[in-house]
Amino acid sequence: DSGVTQTPKHLITATGQRVTLRCSPRSGDLSVYWYQQSLDQGLQFLIQYYNGEERAKGNILERFSAQQFPDLHSELNLSSLELGDSALYFCASSVRGDTYNSPLHFGNGTRLTVT
Amino acid sequence: AQSVTQLDSQVPVFEEAPVELRCNYSSSVSVYLFWYVQYPNQGLQLLLKYLSGSTLVKGINGFEAEFNKSQTSFHLRKPSVHISDTAEYFCAVSGGGSNYKLTFGKGTLLTVNP
Repeated sequence: DSGVTQTPKHLITATGQRVTLRCSPRSGDLSVYWYQQSLDQGLQFLIQYYNGEERAKGNILERFSAQQFPDLHSELNLSSLELGDSALYFCASSVRGDTYNSPLHFGNGTRLTVT
Repeated sequence: AQSVTQLDSQVPVFEEAPVELRCNYSSSVSVYLFWYVQYPNQGLQLLLKYLSGSTLVKGINGFEAEFNKSQTSFHLRKPSVHISDTAEYFCAVSGGGSNYKLTFGKGTLLTVNP
């Protein structure tokens, strides 16, 4: 158990809809990362927050947004969903904001299916 | 920019055989290298990392990896695999400094057969 909690585990929704994925980091971790895993693209970095502030941005679409709240949990909002957004979305957390000296701990992911 | 290439998408081996999972990287700055493992229906967990120092890095579950700067490689090895090692393995690179992004390869599925 990594200590990172993601809810829900599975989500099935229709095209055009909006969903919110939630992540609770490990106790004591200040940084949260969101990744998208799909068969064709592999693991793609979406966005990172550190202590409530956006730290780094990756291949995140404009239809997607995220935030980290004062209690350090994070939410990833996906809107105007398309079939291609179907994927496994992972949240990871680390103590500090640098990925090299502060290993990432991953949750078990949220599997999103858009029909 | 940094990138990672995992040369084999699937590696089938028999139990107790040695295995090598290959990883090559490219980066314009100093690199920090990682191997993560993903068991079925789970998130990724860190196997080992290279930050600096000795080029041979030992990790959990008997895995080790060797950093080769001239060949820009970071291959993962295990002398004798078990059925329980069946999983997907991801090589990743971080540029360090203000580069917070961890870039992953596409993964290698290791299947250990009895």
